[in-house]
Amino acid sequence: QKEVEQDPGPLSVPEGAIVSLNCTYSNSAFQYFMWYRQYSRKGPELLMYTYSSGNKEDGRFTAQVDKSSKYISLFIRDSQPSDSATYLCAMRTVLTGGGNKLTFGTGTQLKVEL
Amino acid sequence: DTAVSQTPKYLVTQMGNDKSIKCEQNLGHDTMYWYKQDSKKFLKIMFSYNNKELIINETVPNRFSPKSPDKAHLNLHINSLELGDSAVYFCASSQDGYQETQYFGPGTRLLVL
Repeated sequence: QKEVEQDPGPLSVPEGAIVSLNCTYSNSAFQYFMWYRQYSRKGPELLMYTYSSGNKEDGRFTAQVDKSSKYISLFIRDSQPSDSATYLCAMRTVLTGGGNKLTFGTGTQLKVEL
Repeated sequence: DTAVSQTPKYLVTQMGNDKSIKCEQNLGHDTMYWYKQDSKKFLKIMFSYNNKELIINETVPNRFSPKSPDKAHLNLHINSLELGDSAVYFCASSQDGYQETQYFGPGTRLLVL
């Protein structure tokens, strides 16, 4: 079983829809939770990060963490064709020898259609 | 003014060859990483260097050897390439080893024939 599970999709939605992307995890040592967005043939870029359980909002994006259920979500409101990308959740552990390590989900491919 | 750059972007080679991928960051970051992304988009950490010191070395065949000549560069050398090495390799950097924000390069697409 992978430490981080994410539905690979693809997920296709009409423009303007609310999108819900989710990840579950098994490692209680994960402390920070991130969402990266990866456009086709590009490197991932950080979209949002959060530490505590609850919601964090940034424009049309809301990140939600439920540590008790080991479940994180990313909501996209009023989705646009430019949101079409692969969304990867990532979780951080601090290493005892220093530094940190990110563990990624497999990514969910999202397509927003006109 | 590319933040994290990699060369080459594409690499097609035969099994058994040795190849290198170069990475440079101009962000003044202390920590650099190598990731491998397979055909199913699974992104996995391979190595991490902080100020030229190796801090993460995941279970990677010893045919893969990272080298950091200075903190702005982290190169990846691969010996005796195998078919299973075909993937996209991403370099990334962060301000220090504790930052959640990692900046990724554009990737190097390696195809081993």
